[in-house]
Amino acid sequence: GDSVTQTEGLVTVTEGLPVKLNCTYQTTYLTIAFFWYVQYLNEAPQVLLRSSTDNKRTEHQGFHATLHKSSSSFHLQKSSAQLSDSALYYCALNTGYQNFYFGKGTSLTVIP
Amino acid sequence: NTKITQSPRYLILGRANKSLECEQHLGHNAMYWYKQSAEKPPELMFLYNLKQLIRNETVPSRFIPECPDSSKLLLHISAVDPEDSAVYFCASSPRQISNERLFFGHGTKLSVL
Repeated sequence: GDSVTQTEGLVTVTEGLPVKLNCTYQTTYLTIAFFWYVQYLNEAPQVLLRSSTDNKRTEHQGFHATLHKSSSSFHLQKSSAQLSDSALYYCALNTGYQNFYFGKGTSLTVIP
Repeated sequence: NTKITQSPRYLILGRANKSLECEQHLGHNAMYWYKQSAEKPPELMFLYNLKQLIRNETVPSRFIPECPDSSKLLLHISAVDPEDSAVYFCASSPRQISNERLFFGHGTKLSVL
């Protein structure tokens, strides 16, 4: 079946250092889109990045991700973490027909 | 996000009945109810497209959705159970058949006594 896997439940990084959150997926659908959602404490999830094009880098608010269909991955990266980046991050797969599959989430904590 | 409004924001219930309300001002065709339990991702409960119920996931029968028009969504809850304690998000997207993102409301936090 279709699924999304985020390998890390908790990630702690020092401010100013790079951060990478992993996301891999399984799907049989061909027309797909991927999202990274960020959820701050007591707030709703909001989209951070979206991509449906293989091997094309997408960027927003200093974060970037590239969909690699060859490795079934859509990892989220940032070159320099900020304290305000502390939040829950969800990778999500949309297989069309608005079938969203969310990963279990990664809690990112950025420390001074 | 004032484009999708939910009420109430917080709800504390015993065994009473209550309804959650959602209204979106985005002109979207598809509307959703998601449940997010503590430390879990959002889980789809119901999906409406143009007022028609399209998806009805495995949800206890005490949850009854209603879509009175394409911009409004209700969730009627009767005789809640402690396992129902969660945040209930309303969401919308432009169309049901698409790869577009979900827009979430701010949620209703339900606490069951």
